[in-house]
Amino acid sequence: KAGVTQTPRYLIKTRGQQVTLSCSPISGHRSVSWYQQTPGQGLQFLFEYFSETQRNKGNFPGRFSGRQFSNSRSEMNVSTLELGDSALYLCASSLGQGHYEQYFGPGTRLTVT
Amino acid sequence: AQKVTQAQTEISVVEKEDVTLDCVYETRDTTYYLFWYKQPPSGELVFLIRRNSFDEQNEISGRYSWNFQKSTSSFNFTITASQVVDSAVYFCAPSGNTPLVFGKGTRLSVIA
Repeated sequence: KAGVTQTPRYLIKTRGQQVTLSCSPISGHRSVSWYQQTPGQGLQFLFEYFSETQRNKGNFPGRFSGRQFSNSRSEMNVSTLELGDSALYLCASSLGQGHYEQYFGPGTRLTVT
Repeated sequence: AQKVTQAQTEISVVEKEDVTLDCVYETRDTTYYLFWYKQPPSGELVFLIRRNSFDEQNEISGRYSWNFQKSTSSFNFTITASQVVDSAVYFCAPSGNTPLVFGKGTRLSVIA
């Protein structure tokens, strides 16, 4: 079974631009979660989608948004990029919510200059 | 809200030594699950183990074992006979009615 895939793997953007990251979950998984990882803040939860509905949202500004499609693939968008948005963005998929283990993708390394 | 404390920031051991990673959590949920994940240098988080709050029986899976004590809110993880490939950052994370909350992680270095 193929694992979670994320595209692109690396991205360099300029402050003020916007970016869209993509995540394809493991086949059969309906829940997709996004996390931001930085050296200073560690792993922080962004949002979770289940069956195209956002179920949970972390403490991030409205510049961070996401969506999930009917095939469970998910995208996250960051508008008006700031230098502090430079991070590793990880996507994880699971069968459902709560107690199911999550399987992570390799991440997208975003650098904002 | 959940909170996780992994007091050990970095641990260094010699290959074949046993090593225990500590985790203390806080949660208001009466039912919850606890997870350990590993992040090798490649960056991808790898699921290791899951435990539910109903079952305090400790288990062993290969070289991994864990000690869950609800009374002290601890969920410690032990690697027996460590190997160089075990070098990674290890994260403890509880999950209940809210999404996974990760600790700061413990960086384990296994030296040959």
